[in-house]
Amino acid sequence: KNQVEQSPQSLIILEGKNCTLQCNYTVSPFSNLRWYKQDTGRGPVSLTIMTFSENTKSNGRYTATLDADTKQSSLHITASQLSDSASYICVVSDRGSTLGRLYFGRGTQLTVWP
Amino acid sequence: EADIYQTPRYLVIGTGKKITLECSQTMGHDKMYWYQQDPGMELHLIHYSYGVNSTEKGDLSSESTVSRIRTEHFPLTLESARPSHTSQYLCASSDRDQPQHFGDGTRLSIL
Repeated sequence: KNQVEQSPQSLIILEGKNCTLQCNYTVSPFSNLRWYKQDTGRGPVSLTIMTFSENTKSNGRYTATLDADTKQSSLHITASQLSDSASYICVVSDRGSTLGRLYFGRGTQLTVWP
Repeated sequence: EADIYQTPRYLVIGTGKKITLECSQTMGHDKMYWYQQDPGMELHLIHYSYGVNSTEKGDLSSESTVSRIRTEHFPLTLESARPSHTSQYLCASSDRDQPQHFGDGTRLSIL
């Protein structure tokens, strides 16, 4: 069964600290993996997208890694800010259909305290 | 920023009412989607469309219906709302393999 598991479920850190969020998936065949940020009451916004051949991608203070062999990804946030408080969702796409079906994780709820 | 809009943002309505949730995008994307999201849970695809006059049901069974008469417009309708329909509904669009762009959602509460 194709699944996406994220950990931790929730995380609290102090402003300025770094953190790493994890995503494990069993989706096969694999097309790409995306990380989204979803602020409370808003829709998800794409942070990064990685294909099979990419193992790291950065977007400002966000750096995503992908190990396609172990089917693991991480999202590292550097020098956290209060505005980083949000849910971070890992989404994996298969290439088994023309639609490119997406499998969503439940997200990691990050809270940054001053 | 993606230009995809959903209205209303919030809706509280009684059981049995007919509801239409609006979704519009100005990017000319062929693919559009409706997702349902409950607190702390993953998004579930309930409807999608490849283009005009194309609609398909998603993975999660839903009593809602959709239409795609124009490229930019993808409304979702509930003929008779029930408390079990209470949820957040997110609309999204995409162009080929580009990341999906999401609207800010409609938070629906059925009393």
